[in-house]
Amino acid sequence: EPEVTQTPSHQVTQMGQEVILRCVPISNHLYFYWYRQILGQKVEFLVSFYNNEISEKSEIFDDQFSVERPDGSNFTLKIRSTKLEDSAMYFCASSQDFGGREQYFGPGTRLTVT
Amino acid sequence: AQTVTQSQPEMSVQEAETVTLSCTYDTSENNYYLFWYKQPPSRQMILVIRQEAYKQQNATENRFSVNFQKAAKSFSLKISDSQLGDTAMYFCALTMDSSYKLIFGSGTRLLVRP
Repeated sequence: EPEVTQTPSHQVTQMGQEVILRCVPISNHLYFYWYRQILGQKVEFLVSFYNNEISEKSEIFDDQFSVERPDGSNFTLKIRSTKLEDSAMYFCASSQDFGGREQYFGPGTRLTVT
Repeated sequence: AQTVTQSQPEMSVQEAETVTLSCTYDTSENNYYLFWYKQPPSRQMILVIRQEAYKQQNATENRFSVNFQKAAKSFSLKISDSQLGDTAMYFCALTMDSSYKLIFGSGTRLLVRP
């Protein structure tokens, strides 16, 4: 069964450093998403991406964040200058269609900023 | 603004018994979709069940079923014949035709006791 994959599973970085989180969505999916979950809290939407551009973003997704689909398979989230409060689980998701279609999640990347 | 509320932070159930997890939501849109996701200790987000708002019939997936009360804006999840592997955090989520994002509730931690 096709699945969303994410690398790395755990990333430790120092405050102020740049990180890139990588995702490979399900191959025939067209819509891609990033969510984050701070430990013990709810899952929060960051950004959605379709046709090589951002479709929607939340207020969390400020200028420190960017997304890219550098080739036909990868979907990346970059945080330019990490802060302590960026420590969280970051989930990538993909779907065949927007709106009502199911979003399938990757296993997540645990980001720890020290 | 759209919101999802899960009022039960924790629930427990004896193995083989039935448990119901509650969820209420608020949206002004006519067409929307509701989901239950399961998050086991591995923290992977797994889709459990999906319901379209325009469908009156409640969705069912094996031991999992929902009670969708549109007028009351209620969307509860019933787990029958609970198994130890059902122990997880359960999140209710909402998405609309007008937006790409999933809006999550705060989650209910379910413990299945042997």
